[in-house]
Amino acid sequence: GENVEQHPSTLSVQEGDSAVIKCTYSDSASNYFPWYKQELGKGPQLIIDIRSNVGEKKDQRIAVTLNKTAKHFSLHITETQPEDSAVYFCAAIFSYNTDKLIFGTGTRLQVFP
Amino acid sequence: GAGVSQSPSNKVTEKGKDVELRCDPISGHTALYWYRQSLGQGLEFLIYFQGNSAPDKSGLPSDRFSAERTGGSVSTLTIQRTQQEDSAVYLCASSLPTDTQYFGPGTRLTVL
Repeated sequence: GENVEQHPSTLSVQEGDSAVIKCTYSDSASNYFPWYKQELGKGPQLIIDIRSNVGEKKDQRIAVTLNKTAKHFSLHITETQPEDSAVYFCAAIFSYNTDKLIFGTGTRLQVFP
Repeated sequence: GAGVSQSPSNKVTEKGKDVELRCDPISGHTALYWYRQSLGQGLEFLIYFQGNSAPDKSGLPSDRFSAERTGGSVSTLTIQRTQQEDSAVYLCASSLPTDTQYFGPGTRLTVL
C-alpha cells in the first residue's frame, strides 16, 4: 500500500554542521516529493520539493536528492542554524490516487548553538 | 497575499457534541485538502476536493466525519458525536491542480 518511511525520528546537531534526513516510498509511480518544516503551533511550511524527472535540487543551504531506482529521497541542510530547529516531514504524491500527500512520520531536528 | 486561514484556532468540546471546523483557501486555488495530525504524529489525509469533481473521501476515519466545500471556496469539516480519539490538530491545505499544497495554521481540537 501507500507508505512513506522517514529516518531518523530525532536528530541533534551542532550549529554549523550538516543534517541529513532520509525517506523511502513504496510506489514507483510516485512523481512529486515535497519537504515541509513545521514549527511549534504552526502549520507545515513547504521548504523545497522535487519532481521525479529531476535527481537533485538546491536552494541556498537546503538540497533534496532523489533516487528513483531505490525509491528514496533525502533532505540535506548545510551550515545549520538554531532557527532550523523544527520538525521536518517528507511526503510523496501517489499520482494514480488523486493528489493527496502521504507523509512520513517526521524528524525532530535540534540545532545547538 | 493572504494564505490559507482556519477557524477556530482552538476548540474544546465535550464528548458526544458536534463540531464544525472552517477552512478558507488561497484565492484561486481549486484544490482543497483536509489532514489530521495527532499529538507527535505525522499528517493523515482525510479528504480532497478538486473543482467540481466528486471529493476523494477515502481518508475519513468514520461516518461521523464529513466535509463540504461550498461555491468552490470555503470548506467545513464536521465531526458528529465527537470522541476523545478525535482530539488532534486538523490542517487544511489548498493548491492549484497538481501543484504545491499550502497549509493553514490548523485547528486544535480537544474532546473532553
